[in-house]
Amino acid sequence: TQTVSQSDAHVTVFEGDSVELRCNYSYGGSIYLSWYIQHHGRGLQFLLKYYSGNPVVQGVNGFEAEFSKSDSSFHLRKASVHWSDSAVYFCAVRNMGYKLTFGTGTSLLVDP
Amino acid sequence: DMKVTQMPRYLIKRMGENVLLECGQDMSHETMYWYRQDPGLGLQLIYISYDVDSNSEGDIPKGYRVSRKKREHFSLILDSAKTNQTSVYFCASSFGGGRYEQYFGPGTRLTVL
Repeated sequence: TQTVSQSDAHVTVFEGDSVELRCNYSYGGSIYLSWYIQHHGRGLQFLLKYYSGNPVVQGVNGFEAEFSKSDSSFHLRKASVHWSDSAVYFCAVRNMGYKLTFGTGTSLLVDP
Repeated sequence: DMKVTQMPRYLIKRMGENVLLECGQDMSHETMYWYRQDPGLGLQLIYISYDVDSNSEGDIPKGYRVSRKKREHFSLILDSAKTNQTSVYFCASSFGGGRYEQYFGPGTRLTVL
């Protein structure tokens, strides 16, 4: 079973700052990694995914993530955050076909 | 408009009562999921359905069962609810296999007293 770990439970930045949210995975075969965002009181929304090809993948709203096999990482980045980016971000890895295993989430707070 | 709906949004039940959570999707997705979300634990997969009457246990199926009689509807049933089943429950759907993103509903907050 592949797992993901998100080492930072909380991250606080100012509006306009860049941010990197960390995700590390345990390698167990074919790779499928993704990020989801959850605004307060809402369901999760898909941001981006990687399973092959260019290790830097672009997502919605200016987010991107970079896959690294050597570091077993799939960190999420944004160059300039907006207050509306305040949310909880979940990294996920595919296991056994259709199942996703989610990390425990990183709560991002953007101070205006 | 691609949408996953959940009913009810909030529910309070007493221990031992039966609970029915409903989920619908309008995208003709084959695969549907039920998760629960608890603070500090992320999302845990309860059941997965590959299509009508084709369901499989997830990571924490104990105390739950599911029903899928139509592709667009997926129900989660708690027979004799327990206090430790107090949680937020999310339904999701996706096109086929694991390479496709999941679309989530808004969640149902269940409190079992």
